[in-house]
Amino acid sequence: DVKVTQSSRYLVKRTGEKVFLECVQDMDHENMFWYRQDPGLGLRLIYFSYDVKMKEKGDIPEGYSVSREKKERFSLILESASTNQTSMYLCASSRQGGGNYGYTFGSGTRLTVV
Amino acid sequence: GENVEQHPSTLSVQEGDSAVIKCTYSDSASNYFPWYKQELGKRPQLIIDIRSNVGEKKDQRIAVTLNKTAKHFSLHITETQPEDSAVYFCAASKGYGQNFVFGPGTRLSVLP
Repeated sequence: DVKVTQSSRYLVKRTGEKVFLECVQDMDHENMFWYRQDPGLGLRLIYFSYDVKMKEKGDIPEGYSVSREKKERFSLILESASTNQTSMYLCASSRQGGGNYGYTFGSGTRLTVV
Repeated sequence: GENVEQHPSTLSVQEGDSAVIKCTYSDSASNYFPWYKQELGKRPQLIIDIRSNVGEKKDQRIAVTLNKTAKHFSLHITETQPEDSAVYFCAASKGYGQNFVFGPGTRLSVLP
């Protein structure tokens, strides 16, 4: 019963390429998030979205952009991939309002930029 | 903004012993504190959470305590088993759709 799906588990891209990471959730969640996970640094927020066509920068947005044209889909875009963007990327979603709910994470995309 | 610290970064315990992971947060407005477990190669999964109006919550072998005055919260795992080996993340949120701020994680190893 996978609820948050990331399109690729592993990706290898060349420096300078434009990279798209896709995330789809089927829980009708309002909130969606993109994190990157690096050893010793934990989970760092790149961008998040509270509604369709709405986006907010997280802690490390430089070099990234996002798109949320539909409620269920949140895309992370690396405009010009660089080697320091080699990382594990995790998408998450959560419900909004009426209290606090934990995130549901996708399985992650391990991106290697060569 | 919010800052969450987590200690220790690595923890090894013998099977059957208890494990404790501690987190501190900086923003007194934070009111929701989840804990996630991430097994090797898998996604983080919510294992327990606590809200600021509660001081302690327990679910079988797992418990979480919260001290709002000191701004710290802890995860307690009793009677540890090898399948408890994973990376554990704490997080803090101001709720109502606010994004989480995660701690850096603790790698727990349960030795047989």
